[in-house]
Amino acid sequence: NAGVTQTPKFRILKIGQSMTLQCTQDMNHNYMYWYRQDPGMGLKLIYYSVGAGITDKGEVPNGYNVSRSTTEDFPLRLELAAPSQTSVYFCASSYEASFYEQYFGPGTRLTVT
Amino acid sequence: DQQVKQNSPSLSVQEGRISILNCDYTNSMFDYFLWYKKYPAEGPTFLISISSIKDKNEDGRFTVFLNKSAKHLSLHIVPSQPGDSAVYFCAASDGGNQFYFGTGTSLTVIP
Repeated sequence: NAGVTQTPKFRILKIGQSMTLQCTQDMNHNYMYWYRQDPGMGLKLIYYSVGAGITDKGEVPNGYNVSRSTTEDFPLRLELAAPSQTSVYFCASSYEASFYEQYFGPGTRLTVT
Repeated sequence: DQQVKQNSPSLSVQEGRISILNCDYTNSMFDYFLWYKKYPAEGPTFLISISSIKDKNEDGRFTVFLNKSAKHLSLHIVPSQPGDSAVYFCAASDGGNQFYFGTGTSLTVIP
């Protein structure tokens, strides 16, 4: 199993550009999550999904959009990138929600200049 | 507002000694807690968990203690090894769909 994979690993965006961060898991997990980690901070939940076709906002959803058309994929879309979105983005998945650990991808380091 | 806090950004310990990492939380509804370990340029990996019906959980060299009245949990690593050098995050859930993460403690184990 590859687990959770994320692409790209690194990206530099100019202010106002858009991009999609890809996330795929091969563990048949229903739950998927997007987090961002800023320097010296913990992980903040952006969006999550409890299954294909179902998504919900986390703590910091502004400036982002998600979709979940399949169990495996959970892309994160940034529209009109801003410097405040410079961060490391982690995708995660879990079998269920609160009583199961999450499996994380390796992260995408995004810089917006 | 940070509901899960790790007040020590860093910790250095000699190899073979005990490492104690602390975590405090403010939400009394949290009932499940996890510790994750993170190496540079990698995603966090699950280490150990504890539910609120227990006050201790052990897995090899790792033990997590939960003090519900103090809203405090700690991770003990005995004996500490150089490979344990990483950033450790605690996370908590109230049974819903979200986990709330602390800011992390960077552990350095000195050979």
